[in-house]
Amino acid sequence: GAVVSQHPSRVICKSGTSVKIECRSLDFQATTMFWYRQFPKQSLMLMATSNEGSKATYEQGVEKDKFLINHASLTLSTLTVTSAHPEDSSFYICSAWGRKYNEQFFGPGTRLTVL
Amino acid sequence: DAKTTQPPSMDCAEGRAANLPCNHSTISGNEYVYWYRQIHSQGPQYIIHGLKNNETNEMASLIITEDRKSSTLILPHATLRDTAVYYCIVRVVSAGGTSYGKLTFGQGTILTVHP
Repeated sequence: GAVVSQHPSRVICKSGTSVKIECRSLDFQATTMFWYRQFPKQSLMLMATSNEGSKATYEQGVEKDKFLINHASLTLSTLTVTSAHPEDSSFYICSAWGRKYNEQFFGPGTRLTVL
Repeated sequence: DAKTTQPPSMDCAEGRAANLPCNHSTISGNEYVYWYRQIHSQGPQYIIHGLKNNETNEMASLIITEDRKSSTLILPHATLRDTAVYYCIVRVVSAGGTSYGKLTFGQGTILTVHP
């Protein structure tokens, strides 16, 4: 199957700072990318869907000004958590879809800890 | 997308078959059954999917009842590395066959494979 990478795998930051997480599709062009968040012992919750070259669509209750998503190319999407606070500490996972495989593939996740 | 119901946890002995059930009684005609699994602190991994016929790949088999209201994922010879949370998801696939729609994760089944 396809390979999707995320960087960084872990990040620790101070409250009030911004953190950028990258999601890359390594061997296919990802027309659509999805961003999920997972709190401990809970399931994945979809945050937003982004199509290359257009604005992301956010799920209800997700603040678009706090979680900035950029999908500027067919192989890269970024999620920026602005002015992070301890309650933003979570496991952030991206997935990517492209016509080559016609299926979604997930990245390994990024563990964010806000002190 | 239709909702699914899965048992919260199951145990299986190493080397034996693991049979994971899923109820999706409100599934509609254009919805497929997908299975993913998530090993601790990793992104979800696609396992298998089907519409109404039974499916088999190198990882597992998927048995869908004739009325499509339930299905069973079978891992024929479970190993310790199969310990994970298994998610059953039903989702619409477009008429053209593309499957780029968002995935809605439930709580899944925690499968523990023991020696």
